[in-house]
Amino acid sequence: AQTVTQSQPEMSVQEAETVTLSCTYDTSENNYYLFWYKQPPSRQMILVIRQEAYKQQNATENRFSVNFQKAAKSFSLKISDSQLGDTAMYFCAFMKHSNDYKLSFGAGTTVTVRA
Amino acid sequence: GAVVSQHPSRVICKSGTSVKIECRSLDFQATTMFWYRQFPKQSLMLMATSNEGSKATYEQGVEKDKFLINHASLTLSTLTVTSAHPEDSSFYICSARPDEMMTVTDTQYFGPGTRLTVL
Repeated sequence: AQTVTQSQPEMSVQEAETVTLSCTYDTSENNYYLFWYKQPPSRQMILVIRQEAYKQQNATENRFSVNFQKAAKSFSLKISDSQLGDTAMYFCAFMKHSNDYKLSFGAGTTVTVRA
Repeated sequence: GAVVSQHPSRVICKSGTSVKIECRSLDFQATTMFWYRQFPKQSLMLMATSNEGSKATYEQGVEKDKFLINHASLTLSTLTVTSAHPEDSSFYICSARPDEMMTVTDTQYFGPGTRLTVL
């Protein structure tokens, strides 16, 4: 079974500043996918960014970028120019490259953006 | 694109009754859907994998007779909580994985969730 660890239960950041969320995972797989999902107070899960393990280039989506370190099994999320709408719980998730497509989630990090 | 709906968004029921929650993929087909349970300020816990045309696969510790799953079409999966009790009160979330016809098939898209309260 895959384990996903998010070691930061809560983080606070000033509007327009940058915050980095950590995520580590444990797996013996070589091919897999990693995701960051955002869950705002509405509780709708929203895909923020995805990364395929075979791609060395770090994924980027507008103000969101990841630092994927495969050897270290680390997948951190950087939110640049934080906005009030970024306030949410962020979940790191792992999916192995198989036909069950199951996601393993970390415990989540609550991010609060201060005005 | 890739929108998933859930109905109802909130439901309150009496102990001992059954409640059905629907999950629909609105603009794509999904042979595979997933049902999760989430407690306040906690992560999502996978309950079961719903497969169109076959029986659902339940995670360890999830009672299949209590949480009935039916995936009747490529766009609809239902979760029925049978003989609900207060401890079943929770937030239930479904997700759907687009079929092979889509360009991105490894991503799950989530419904908005259903808050179940059992009195």
